[in-house]
Amino acid sequence: EIVLTQSPGTLSLSPGERATLSCRASQSVRNGYLAWYQQKPGQAPRLLIYGASSRPTGIPDRFSGIGSGTDFTLTISRLEPEDFAVYYCQQYGRSPRTFGQGTKVEVK
Amino acid sequence: QVHLLQSGAEVRRPGASVKVSCKASGFSLTSYGITWVRQAPGQGLQWMAWINSYNGNTEYAESLQGRVTVTTDTFSNTVYMEVRSLRSDDTAVYFCARDILNDYGDPGHFDYWGQGTLVTVSS
Repeated sequence: EIVLTQSPGTLSLSPGERATLSCRASQSVRNGYLAWYQQKPGQAPRLLIYGASSRPTGIPDRFSGIGSGTDFTLTISRLEPEDFAVYYCQQYGRSPRTFGQGTKVEVK
Repeated sequence: QVHLLQSGAEVRRPGASVKVSCKASGFSLTSYGITWVRQAPGQGLQWMAWINSYNGNTEYAESLQGRVTVTTDTFSNTVYMEVRSLRSDDTAVYFCARDILNDYGDPGHFDYWGQGTLVTVSS
């Protein structure tokens, strides 16, 4: 199975700052089939990015994704108070689909 | 509008079974897959199982093979997930999610999620 390793484990930033989250795969992810989700305490995850860089309708453009092969990045250009949460990457290029262990973005 | 409504919290003894439901509205189950993901307390997300209600195809995580079954009732637009021989480490919040096929027709990413169902396994 493809193992996804996210870094850093925790990112301590202030509102207005830029957040850069990494997701590295143990094997190449076919066709860039990688998604990013945001999860807040007590809530279900929310889809932010799919296909490495596509944003679903309703996701603010401060969220952007890039990457291919084994290296993927989620960037939040300017952190809003509601962006402090845990972020997971997920690959769907090969079964079984797998998630990274998550990156927590916390208020500095 | 798309919505996934899951059944309520459950408490079970070790060795028992639990069945969680996920009722879809705003779309037909025969047009999308449904995936189940669980999250143990304070932990990350674990993909568990998937069903294609159009043709009945299923896929299960190897670690759960033989203990989990996913079924669908297309008349009520509801998917069910049963876990048998429960253990304490099955204690988790279980989520269903709508599964968008990738360009090859394989299970893909998840665009809408249910609210989650807490299953507690305790003696």
